[in-house]
Amino acid sequence: DTEVTQTPKHLVMGMTNKKSLKCEQHMGHRAMYWYKQKAKKPPELMFVYSYEKLSINESVPSRFSPECPNSSLLNLHLHALQPEDSALYLCASSQDASGGSYNEQFFGPGTRLTVL
Amino acid sequence: AQKITQTQPGMFVQEKEAVTLDCTYDTSDPSYGLFWYKQPSSGEMIFLIYQGSYDQQNATEGRYSLNFQKARKSANLVISASQLGDSAMYFCAMREIGGGTSYGKLTFGQGTILTVHP
Repeated sequence: DTEVTQTPKHLVMGMTNKKSLKCEQHMGHRAMYWYKQKAKKPPELMFVYSYEKLSINESVPSRFSPECPNSSLLNLHLHALQPEDSALYLCASSQDASGGSYNEQFFGPGTRLTVL
Repeated sequence: AQKITQTQPGMFVQEKEAVTLDCTYDTSDPSYGLFWYKQPSSGEMIFLIYQGSYDQQNATEGRYSLNFQKARKSANLVISASQLGDSAMYFCAMREIGGGTSYGKLTFGQGTILTVHP
């Protein structure tokens, strides 16, 4: 199984809502990532989890809250978002995140988020 | 700091012809990996091909090959025998490996939109 799944595929939310994005992989990978991607732009790294611990937070606003309950699952909790947060949110996983390995990142299909 | 440059915002190619997508990079780390990803309009990022900085030979994967010129710091993607399904956005990305705290961080170029005409 070389698949990363993400739910939901589409999400529309108001600025006062609380919602969560879910990502799952069963490849035994120990590194998981959240990216934000605006239309026709490259993905921007938000968070990296390595062995279920947050190892990188790219100065993401606190209205985005990541969570890694176990090695297969990654959540992104959303609260009080702004319209400019509307984007495609991609999850990825790789064998590990440490230096010295060449492993590629496998990406999920993404969640298209619209904030009204 | 690492940097990836893709100078072609858009490229057009006739079906069954070959096309080269350009990518140049800049890094001070002698140990790095270069990746190409394809992103169709559906949004999923699909891994295509990988080249390590110490690999002696150019990487190939089916119709994809990577023209790696280390001295020029370029890693161009060559797609042979283009198909209509190749129409997509293509991203070049780099990951520095030598530093122990790289944490798998990928740096992406701005992307090239490839359109294949019948």
